[in-house]
Amino acid sequence: EPEVTQTPSHQVTQMGQEVILRCVPISNHLYFYWYRQILGQKVEFLVSFYNNEISEKSEIFDDQFSVERPDGSNFTLKIRSTKLEDSAMYFCANSIQGGGYNEQFFGPGTRLTVL
Amino acid sequence: AQKVTQAQTEISVVEKEDVTLDCVYETRDTTYYLFWYKQPPSGELVFLIRRNSFDEQNEISGRYSWNFQKSTSSFNFTITASQVVDSAVYFCALSEPRGGYQKVTFGTGTKLQVIP
Repeated sequence: EPEVTQTPSHQVTQMGQEVILRCVPISNHLYFYWYRQILGQKVEFLVSFYNNEISEKSEIFDDQFSVERPDGSNFTLKIRSTKLEDSAMYFCANSIQGGGYNEQFFGPGTRLTVL
Repeated sequence: AQKVTQAQTEISVVEKEDVTLDCVYETRDTTYYLFWYKQPPSGELVFLIRRNSFDEQNEISGRYSWNFQKSTSSFNFTITASQVVDSAVYFCALSEPRGGYQKVTFGTGTKLQVIP
């Protein structure tokens, strides 16, 4: 069964450094999402992406964040200058279609620790 | 704005007991979708079920069953004869179509501990 993969599984960085989190979606899926889960809290929507454009972003997704599909397969989330409060689990998700009925398939997550 | 409430923060049951996880949602949309996800200690999110707003039929899948009540905006999840492997955090989620894509709002999760 196709799976969403994410790398790295754990990233440790110093405050102020740039990080890039990578996701390889399921191959025929067209809609891509990033979510964040601060330890012990709920999963929060960050951004949705379709046709090489951001469809919607939450208030969390400020100018420090960016997303792209650099090579048509990987889907990345970049945080330009990390802050302590960016420490969280980041989940990539994708769906085959955009309609709400299609469940989003989640990757295993990248745990980001900002020191 | 959409909202999902899971009032039970943590539940502990003894193995083989039945347990129900509550979920109440708020939305202004007439078309929406509800999901349950399981997050085991390893951290990944595992899809369990989806239900659309027009389908109020309850569903049973093995030891799992779901009760969707539109009148009370609830989508509760019952595990029958719980097992230790059911120990996890369970998230209820609400999806509202936004043009071509969907935006998913998660509840705060219910941590279920099944004691052997």
